[in-house]
Amino acid sequence: DTGVSQDPRHKITKRGQNVTFRCDPISEHNRLYWYRQTLGQGPEFLTYFQNEAQLEKSRLLSDRFSAERPKGSFSTLEIQRTEQGDSAMYLCASSLTTGGAFFGQGTRLTVV
Amino acid sequence: QQQVKQSPQSLIVQKGGISIINCAYENTAFDYFPWYQQFPGKGPALLIAIRPDVSEKKEGRFTISFNKSAKQFSLHIMDSQPGDSATYFCAASGQGAQKLVFGQGTRLTINP
Repeated sequence: DTGVSQDPRHKITKRGQNVTFRCDPISEHNRLYWYRQTLGQGPEFLTYFQNEAQLEKSRLLSDRFSAERPKGSFSTLEIQRTEQGDSAMYLCASSLTTGGAFFGQGTRLTVV
Repeated sequence: QQQVKQSPQSLIVQKGGISIINCAYENTAFDYFPWYQQFPGKGPALLIAIRPDVSEKKEGRFTISFNKSAKQFSLHIMDSQPGDSATYFCAASGQGAQKLVFGQGTRLTINP
């Protein structure tokens, strides 16, 4: 396994459009996390899954954001009606129940 | 109480010198303290991590020092090399969720 994989790497979208990102975690990892990172800042937690159950959501995750992890494998993060303030790097990470979190390369979203 | 404060914001060190980055936290429920290295356009990479039952952990040129009573921890990079030039983030998480709270980051430049 080569690590956490995210797709696409870059996405440019017009304001008001919907976008969906995909994350494939390290195969034996049962936990999957989504973070958002803006320029010059540390990553901010959005949500996490243990297997297929979404166990925590940040207040940063507005109603326009939804995440799924069907069958406890890959995960998708959808943003509806994108706004310019959604422009950021969206990072996925995975881990075992104990142990460090490993991040993917991220999806850079630009809303124009 | 969820914050992790990191300093300095930027640091310039000569090749071969020691780079030191400091972090402080408030939440006494935090029990896992990793450091991440991030290059431009890439996701954060886990460097080294420590739990509060030890005061120091060393892996190669990287050492974490941990002071539980002061609620502070630091990263020391020995024999700093130009390839170490990156942004470094400290983070912390509490029991169970492993949701990471990140510091603001330190941009490290190693001059040749």
